[in-house]
Amino acid sequence: DAGVTQSPTHLIKTRGQQVTLRCSPKSGHDTVSWYQQALGQGPQFIFQYYEEEERQRGNFPDRFSGHQFPNYSSELNVNALLLGDSALYLCASNRWIEPEQFFGPGTRLTVL
Amino acid sequence: SQQGEEDPQALSIQEGENATMNCSYKTSINNLQWYRQNSGRGLVHLILIRSNEREKHSGRLRVTLDTSKKSSSLLITASRAADTASYFCATVKTSGSRLTFGEGTQLTVNP
Repeated sequence: DAGVTQSPTHLIKTRGQQVTLRCSPKSGHDTVSWYQQALGQGPQFIFQYYEEEERQRGNFPDRFSGHQFPNYSSELNVNALLLGDSALYLCASNRWIEPEQFFGPGTRLTVL
Repeated sequence: SQQGEEDPQALSIQEGENATMNCSYKTSINNLQWYRQNSGRGLVHLILIRSNEREKHSGRLRVTLDTSKKSSSLLITASRAADTASYFCATVKTSGSRLTFGEGTQLTVNP
């Protein structure tokens, strides 16, 4: 039973570019959340998707957008990248009715 | 903004000793969860305690929750070098809502 998977593992972009990160949830899970973790800090909630709709959103600008597909996988898009967007981006999945979230290994994004 | 604040920020102990980490939070919660993270990789869920519970055990882990003080503690008994990691508490305000993480405690267990 595969856990949460994310791609790519690492990514290097330049300021102003756009990036798409992908996440496949754990089998049986229908809810996907995205978190940003800057170096030395705790993860910060970006948004949550359930039934292909954004259900909750953290304090992130509109440059951050997402999508959930019918197979429950999800994408995180970031436009007009800034140096400060450099971070580890974590995807987590769970069943909507259950509180424990299972995290993927993350995508390390570096913006130059 | 961070809901939880872990204390201490860093902890270094010898193998076999117990490690205690504390977490304080500001608002009422539905549940509190503890996660472990090794070297900037994904987080691993350790244990969840609900607001109506005071203590839970899982293997070498013991978690307490004091809602009147808005605080929780994680005790790892008989620590091992493999326990070296960052430990985060995360609160959930209402069922189904987001995880709000603290800054974490970096635990180092020396062999």
